[in-house]
Amino acid sequence: EAQVTQNPRYLITVTGKKLTVTCSQNMNHEYMSWYRQDPGLGLRQIYYSMNVEVTDKGDVPEGYKVSRKEKRNFPLILESPSPNQTSLYFCASSPGLASYDTQYFGPGTRLSVL
Amino acid sequence: KQEVTQIPAALSVPEGENLVLNCSFTDSAIYNLQWFRQDPGKGLTSLLLIQSSQREQTSGRLNASLDKSSGRSTLYIAASQPGDSATYLCAVRGNTPLVFGKGTRLSVIA
Repeated sequence: EAQVTQNPRYLITVTGKKLTVTCSQNMNHEYMSWYRQDPGLGLRQIYYSMNVEVTDKGDVPEGYKVSRKEKRNFPLILESPSPNQTSLYFCASSPGLASYDTQYFGPGTRLSVL
Repeated sequence: KQEVTQIPAALSVPEGENLVLNCSFTDSAIYNLQWFRQDPGKGLTSLLLIQSSQREQTSGRLNASLDKSSGRSTLYIAASQPGDSATYLCAVRGNTPLVFGKGTRLSVIA
């Protein structure tokens, strides 16, 4: 089944403890991205990647890191999480950025930073 | 900077009604516009994608239109059902990646 998977789905952590949220897609998509969703603010892009070893900042990159060493994986790294990073996180992928390319979203990771 | 607005923020209708959700955007230089559905606690499911050169797309009871020059899109849902209850998100893609509206929360009452 074609899908985007994220792990973990739920995570409670404490301020300053490094964490990684994994994202994997099995559709051989070139483009991958991370979003956070907050009440009243909607979905905002954190980082995106056009292909392996090519990443760029989205609208809200502060406090996050990403890497794209393999085409299928795009982990989101929080080196020193803070309470303002408590949010619902989504990974997405698409074949590319052509006008006909649909974005496929993962199920989400709900993160709480205490 | 692209801004996407969805009106209304919430909508409650009785089962069987036809309804229209609205989306407006400020920069008409877009590649496409997508409508997504989001169920509580779940991810986003793509419903329809309209390329900038297209005027509308249809899938089952859903029809989405795009008027790029006026910066507007509508999602028409025919014969609504309780299973249509969800949040509907509009997103546009231009030179920057997807910019989302804040969504319309739809409740269809049986």
